[in-house]
Parts: sequence; structure tokens; C-alpha cells
Amino acid sequence: AQSVTQPDIHITVSEGASLELRCNYSYGATPYLFWYVQSPGQGLQLLLKYFSGDTLVQGIKGFEAEFKRSQSSFNLRKPSVHWSDAAEYFCAVGARGSGYSTLTFGKGTMLLVSP
Amino acid sequence: DADVTQTPRNRITKTGKRIMLECSQTKGHDRMYWYRQDPGLGLRLIYYSFDVKDINKGEISDGYSVSRQAQAKFSLSLESAIPNQTALYFCATSDSPGRTGDGYTFGSGTRLTVV
Repeated sequence: AQSVTQPDIHITVSEGASLELRCNYSYGATPYLFWYVQSPGQGLQLLLKYFSGDTLVQGIKGFEAEFKRSQSSFNLRKPSVHWSDAAEYFCAVGARGSGYSTLTFGKGTMLLVSP
Repeated sequence: DADVTQTPRNRITKTGKRIMLECSQTKGHDRMYWYRQDPGLGLRLIYYSFDVKDINKGEISDGYSVSRQAQAKFSLSLESAIPNQTALYFCATSDSPGRTGDGYTFGSGTRLTVV
């Protein structure tokens, strides 16, 4: 079975600074990988996904993520954070073989943006 | 209208009461899911359904049941609510196997409080 670890529960970044949120997964092969964002009181919105091909994936809102097979990681990055990026971010992994069947989510990283 | 609609948005119920959370979708997806979200625990899968005749337990199905009334409708029931079922509940949908799709599409959530 697959699993996901997001090592950081909270991260505080100054507005305009760069951001990297960490995600490590455990799975026997190359999984499907996703990043979702949840704003307060809202559902989860897909930021980006990795299925195959180029290991650097571009998403919405200026986010990108890089799949590193050797490190079993899929870290989310943004070069310059805006106050509106304050939210909770979830990494998720899905098993190959039958589409992505069910997704397993990490416990989330809460991003706080300071002025 | 939202692609995935959950009702009610908020509900307070008493211990021992039966309660149903409803989910309907206009995405035309075959697969539907129920997750619960608790602070610090991320999203955990309760039940999922790959088509109208298919129901599967997730990692935390005890105390819950589901009904897939149609392709577009998937309801979650708490037969006898208890306080530790207080949580934010999400319904999600996805494409069938073989389609890359866009991962899951989430509803806005139902905040359930059991007193």
C-alpha cells in the first residue's frame, strides 16, 4: 500500500519569498502524484499532477513540483509567495494499474504568509 | 452550479441519531468517494464506489454506511452518531481507469458536529 509523508506541519514564509513544501511517498513503483490546496472553509483544489514524462510539472497559480524518483519525493515550489497563498496544502499518491484507484493523502502542511 | 454538491454544508446532531450526508455530481464520473478530514490527520478514506453496483470499504468505514443511488449520487450515513465522528466530510469524484483526468474533483464539504 502507498503512503505519503509531509514532514512540515506548519511553514511560515514572508510575502515575496520563495517556497518549498516537502512530500515523500512510499510505493513500489512510480505512482501518480498530486498536490491539492485547501483555503479556509473550502474544498480541495488541484494544483498540479504528475502521471509520466517530464519530471518538472507546472500547475496553476504559479506553482511547480518536481518528481525525484531516487528520493521518492514530489516537492512543491513557488518562486514568490503571495498573501493569498496562505492555505493548507496536501500531497497525494495514487497507485498505478487501475487508473489511480484511491488516493492516499498526506496530513497536510499549513502555509502562513507574513507581511 | 458546482460540479460536486454536498448537502448539508453544516449539521449539528445528537449522539445516537442517524444522519445522512448527500453528494451529487454533474461531472459524469463513474467513481465517487467519501473522505473525512480531521485536524492534523489529513484526509482518510471512508468508502468508495467505482460504479453504481460497486461499493468498497476504505480505511475507516466502521460506524458508516453508503448508498450509490445513481451514477451521480452517493450518500454517506452515520447509523448512530457518536462525538468522535465530528469532522469535515468530503465527497469526491474521478474518471474511470485508463483516463488521466484531473485527479479528484472535491465538493465543498459538510461540517458535522455530534454533541
